Amino acid sequence: DTAVSQTPKYLVTQMGNDKSIKCEQNLGHDTMYWYKQDSKKFLKIMFSYNNKELIINETVPNRFSPKSPDKAHLNLHINSLELGDSAVYFCASSLHTDNSPLHFGNGTRLTVT
Amino acid sequence: TQLLEQSPQFLSIQEGENLTVYCNSSSVFSSLQWYRQEPGEGPVLLVTVVTGGEVKKLKRLTFQFGDARKDSSLHITAAQPGDTGLYLCAGGGGTSYGKLTFGQGTILTVHP
Repeated sequence: DTAVSQTPKYLVTQMGNDKSIKCEQNLGHDTMYWYKQDSKKFLKIMFSYNNKELIINETVPNRFSPKSPDKAHLNLHINSLELGDSAVYFCASSLHTDNSPLHFGNGTRLTVT
Repeated sequence: TQLLEQSPQFLSIQEGENLTVYCNSSSVFSSLQWYRQEPGEGPVLLVTVVTGGEVKKLKRLTFQFGDARKDSSLHITAAQPGDTGLYLCAGGGGTSYGKLTFGQGTILTVHP
């Protein structure tokens, strides 16, 4: 059973389009995250939700809007995609918000052309 | 802003060699986690260290947390091709509660 699953695995789209990435975890964790990994493999947190409430919102363009319908799901919607948005986006979850170890999904490779 | 400097960025060695990856910061962390990431997959937790001076072993991997909890190292003995991957350190606590600070990563390639 996949613990943290995100879809799609690959996303190729044109500039200006709007796209969504979905994430679900079946670990019963309270906290979910979105991370962005750039071409140099650096992982940077974007958002964190605890029991459906936003607790971390890093300096991310407001074109990115996370939504958590329940604590097992955290989706990411991106409006007006730009070339610089191309990256691998990882969903993750942790038991609590206290720097508990992260369980990552397998990533969504977004390519904006 | 807390920063974690990881070195080296790239490491290419032959099977059987030993290696050490370093993770350094000027900030104190309450815990330090090490992850390994393979191509096309997400990072997977290897170990968490929480006590200054702590040493943990995972088969051929030895992890150490500095006495002052500002640095950590990962030592691999007799590396194997299966150890190839991206190794990431991540610090938790301090001024970044609820948010892990990741190092830049070390890409390790072990040649048969």
